Amino acid sequence: KQEVTQIPAALSVPEGENLVLNCSFTDSAIYNLQWFRQDPGKGLTSLLLIQSSQREQTSGRLNASLDKSSGRSTLYIAASQPGDSATYLCAVGAQAGTALIFGKGTTLSVSS
Amino acid sequence: GAVVSQHPSWVICKSGTSVKIECRSLDFQATTMFWYRQFPKQSLMLMATSNEGSKATYEQGVEKDKFLINHASLTLSTLTVTSAHPEDSSFYICSAQTRTSSYNEQFFGPGTRLTVL
Repeated sequence: KQEVTQIPAALSVPEGENLVLNCSFTDSAIYNLQWFRQDPGKGLTSLLLIQSSQREQTSGRLNASLDKSSGRSTLYIAASQPGDSATYLCAVGAQAGTALIFGKGTTLSVSS
Repeated sequence: GAVVSQHPSWVICKSGTSVKIECRSLDFQATTMFWYRQFPKQSLMLMATSNEGSKATYEQGVEKDKFLINHASLTLSTLTVTSAHPEDSSFYICSAQTRTSSYNEQFFGPGTRLTVL
């Protein structure tokens, strides 16, 4: 059974720092991996989607990498801002058309 | 594009009543919709998978007679929590996938906060 783990559970950094969020999964046979942002009491905002054949994806200050063989993904946030404060969720899809399996998330707090 | 809406965004009800939550894909046809539940400080857990025109597939431990799912059209799925109890209080989120989504990308609704008194 696939399990997704995110470390750390919480992270506090001053504005301007670069940071890395980690995600690991137990079964490397995935179809894709997605990173989401969730603000308190709100739904999910998709940040990046990485196909199993890809190594990384970039969007603005965000860069996500995928090492399928080792069961790891990282989300790199450059020059963090207070507006980046949120919970970041990592989720894997086993096959096309199946539901996503989520980690518990990393709650990020960026202070000004 | 790829917008999913949910209604209502929040609901408070008395124990024993039934609550219906709607999930709509606004600008695409969703062949598959997923219903997730999120308890405080926890991650999203899949409750059921809903395919248009067929019965929903429920995850282990989810009571199909309590959580009724109807996916009557390619743009609408509903989740009805029957005889709700306080332990059903949670954040319910749906996601939708289109037939043309070759990357298995799912689009999530904004969620519905259910509080059962």
